[in-house]
Amino acid sequence: SQKIEQNSEALNIQEGKTATLTCNYTNYSPAYLQWYRQDPGRGPVFLLLIRENEKEKRKERLKVTFDTTLKQSLFHITASQPADSATYLCALDRGATNKLIFGTGTLLAVQP
Amino acid sequence: SQTIHQWPATLVQPVGSPLSLECTVEGTSNPNLYWYRQAAGRGLQLLFYSVGIGQISSEVPQNLSASRPQDRQFILSSKKLLLSDSGFYLCAWSLALGTDTQYFGPGTRLTVL
Repeated sequence: SQKIEQNSEALNIQEGKTATLTCNYTNYSPAYLQWYRQDPGRGPVFLLLIRENEKEKRKERLKVTFDTTLKQSLFHITASQPADSATYLCALDRGATNKLIFGTGTLLAVQP
Repeated sequence: SQTIHQWPATLVQPVGSPLSLECTVEGTSNPNLYWYRQAAGRGLQLLFYSVGIGQISSEVPQNLSASRPQDRQFILSSKKLLLSDSGFYLCAWSLALGTDTQYFGPGTRLTVL
């Protein structure tokens, strides 16, 4: 079955630096991969989606890459701010209808 | 625009008591609906999903059940709560066709004592 691996350790970076989070999957390559942000005590919020035929996707300070050979997606936040501190989840489709598999997320802490 | 509501926001219940959590979606028709549970420091566990009224698929055998009495209403229930049912319960919706991008509600924090 498909498994997703995200770094369970928190990522601490200085304000203004670029944060890079990793999502690895173990089985078949999904048709698309999604990234969500979750703040404590809140539901996840959708950020970006990248399809298997796309290498890179950008939205403002966010950039996602998708390498189906490495079975890996990287999520970058440039010019990071303390307000970017949150848990970031990656999610893949299961190859069946209507369901996603979510990773456990990586906690990002941006220090002022 | 679409909005999703969940209530209650927090709930403390004794072991053995019943449970009913409600989720409603506004601004869209025939959405796919989902119930997730998130234990402290853990990932999202899909409990149930529904593609239409009365159509419920269970992902994990457990002490819970779900119902969809109306197109945009999704209910999570239990007849007798267990300690292990404690957690953060999230409802989500997605479009019936497309990339399954999911839009989450604010969640219900359930503590079973």
